[in-house]
Parts: sequence; structure tokens; C-alpha cells
Amino acid sequence: DGGITQSPKYLFRKEGQNVTLSCEQNLNHDAMYWYRQDPGQGLRLIYYSQIVNDFQKGDIAEGYSVSREKKESFPLTVTSAQKNPTAFYLCASSPTGVQTNEKLFFGSGTQLSVL
Amino acid sequence: RKEVEQDPGPFNVPEGATVAFNCTYSNSASQSFFWYRQDCRKEPKLLMSVYSSGNEDGRFTAQLNKASQYVSLLIRDSQPSDSATYLCAPRRNTGFQKLVFGTGTRLLVSP
Repeated sequence: DGGITQSPKYLFRKEGQNVTLSCEQNLNHDAMYWYRQDPGQGLRLIYYSQIVNDFQKGDIAEGYSVSREKKESFPLTVTSAQKNPTAFYLCASSPTGVQTNEKLFFGSGTQLSVL
Repeated sequence: RKEVEQDPGPFNVPEGATVAFNCTYSNSASQSFFWYRQDCRKEPKLLMSVYSSGNEDGRFTAQLNKASQYVSLLIRDSQPSDSATYLCAPRRNTGFQKLVFGTGTRLLVSP
């Protein structure tokens, strides 16, 4: 079945540690996105990528980094510079990000917590 | 002004009630809208798309008011299974766009 896979489902980070969240899609979508959600809050955009080897900062990119070396993969690294990383992270994709009726397809999310 | 604003709620209603909540947007270029439903610690799932004046799907009706720049979601005969957070996201009709979501409105339907 086609879809988006995020792993791990739960992740724990120690102080000063970098951690990487995985996001893989087999939908052949060009555009991919990373959102962060805090309790009782909406989704805030961290980074997005319109096409392979290209990505742009979203609204809250500080303390995060991404890569888009392959069309199907868009990993997110939470660096030690991110002082408040505890949140629910959602990866999404869309065919192009251009069409008016184009919806996002979401992964099931990763809950990151700080030890 | 935020690009998308929603009343966070929670809206507490009894089973069978009709409930409506709005989503206001600041960008007049927004032409279509998505309503997503999100259960706690789950991914959002598309509930309804709104492209012109409105859309209806069973107990759910979405209406767009371009003059006042808001889109509403109405749920009739609400069920406990409707308890969730409802997220709104507007889209423009041209160019690549990163989807910006409102904070969501939380609905609690009691049996």
C-alpha cells in the first residue's frame, strides 16, 4: 500500500544530543513537509521541500536541519540547538504543492521527548 | 494578524446537538480550504475540501464567506465519535504553497 512512514513512533533525546526522525513515502510525491505540534496547538511548519535536492525553511526552522537527497526520503534532524524539542512531529507529502485541490498526506507522527 | 485563526475551544456539546465553528483567514487570495480532523496524538485526516461557496457531506457542511473571510464547519446530530480537533487550512489558487494550519478547534461530544 502507498503511504508515508515515520519512524520511530517514540523517541527520547538526551541533553545536547542530535536525533534524526525518519520520513519515507512511496507515493511518488514531489513535495514533502515537516510540522511540529505542541499540546493544544496547531501544526507549525519547520521545513519543506518542493523537489529533490531543494528545501526551504518554514516558520520555526531554528534548531532543525533536513536533507532531500532522494525523492522518497525527507529526514529531520533535531539538533542540540533546539532547546525545547519535546513535541509531536508530523511529516507530510503532496504531489506538487501547487494544485488548488491538492491535499496533504500525513505520516502517523513521532513523539519526541527529552530525558 | 495571524494567517489563520480558530477558536481553540473546547466546545462541549451533548450528543445530537448541532455545532458550528469558524476559521478566519487574512489572505484574501485564499481560494480553497481544507478541514482536517485530528484525534489525540494521531495524524490529521482530511474531512472536507471547500472550493467555492460550500460543500456538504452527510452531517458535515462547510461554508465559505469570502466577503468576511471566514469558512465555517457545521456538524449536525453530533456523535461522541465526532470528538476531535478540527483544523482549518486555506490555499491560494496559484503557485507552490506551504499549507498553513490554524490552531484547531477542539470538540467534545458527550453521550
